[in-house]
Amino acid sequence: DVVLTQSPLSLPVTLGQPASISCRSSQSLVHSDGITYFSWFHQRPGQSPRRLFYWVSNRDSGVPDRFSGSGSGTDFTLKISRVEAEDVGVYYCMQGTHWPPYTFGQGTKLEI
Amino acid sequence: EAQLVESGGDLVQPGGSLRLSCAVSGFTFSIHPMHWVRQAPGEGLMWVSRIGPDGGDTDYADSVKGRFTISRDNAKNTLYLQMNSLRAEDTALYYCARDHGSLGDCWGQGTLVTVSS
Repeated sequence: DVVLTQSPLSLPVTLGQPASISCRSSQSLVHSDGITYFSWFHQRPGQSPRRLFYWVSNRDSGVPDRFSGSGSGTDFTLKISRVEAEDVGVYYCMQGTHWPPYTFGQGTKLEI
Repeated sequence: EAQLVESGGDLVQPGGSLRLSCAVSGFTFSIHPMHWVRQAPGEGLMWVSRIGPDGGDTDYADSVKGRFTISRDNAKNTLYLQMNSLRAEDTALYYCARDHGSLGDCWGQGTLVTVSS
């Protein structure tokens, strides 16, 4: 199974400052069809997860442009240009290239 | 607007069974693969199962293979998860999620399954 390793696991941030989360895969996530099936999710306390990006950098509807997704192969990054209060919660990376199983990272808790 | 509403979660004894349902609305259910994802209390996300648009292909996490069965009724716009031989480690909030581009562009609110004597 593909293992996704996120860092850091805890991310204290200051409002208005940038933040960055890394996700490293145990193997390349480039599918034979050329697409990298890598996603980022955000889960606020007590809420369901919300997908932010799919295929590395394709932003889902309604996701603010202060968020960006990048990376390739085995190394991926989620960046927030200026953290806002609503950004608190846990961020998960996920791969859907080598399934089953789909696998998630351990999660990164962002706190103000 | 796409909506997914799970139901069927309950307190069940080890070895027992439950059937979860996920009623969807606001989109063409029959064209999307669908997934079940679970989250144990205080833990991260774990993929459980996937079903293709017509129900013909299914996949499972190793930890539930042989015990859980995913199915769908496209006429009723409903996804199911039959869970048998339940164990304490199956205790979790179970989410259904749509697959558009990849897993999880839309999620339900979850239904809680507690396995305990």
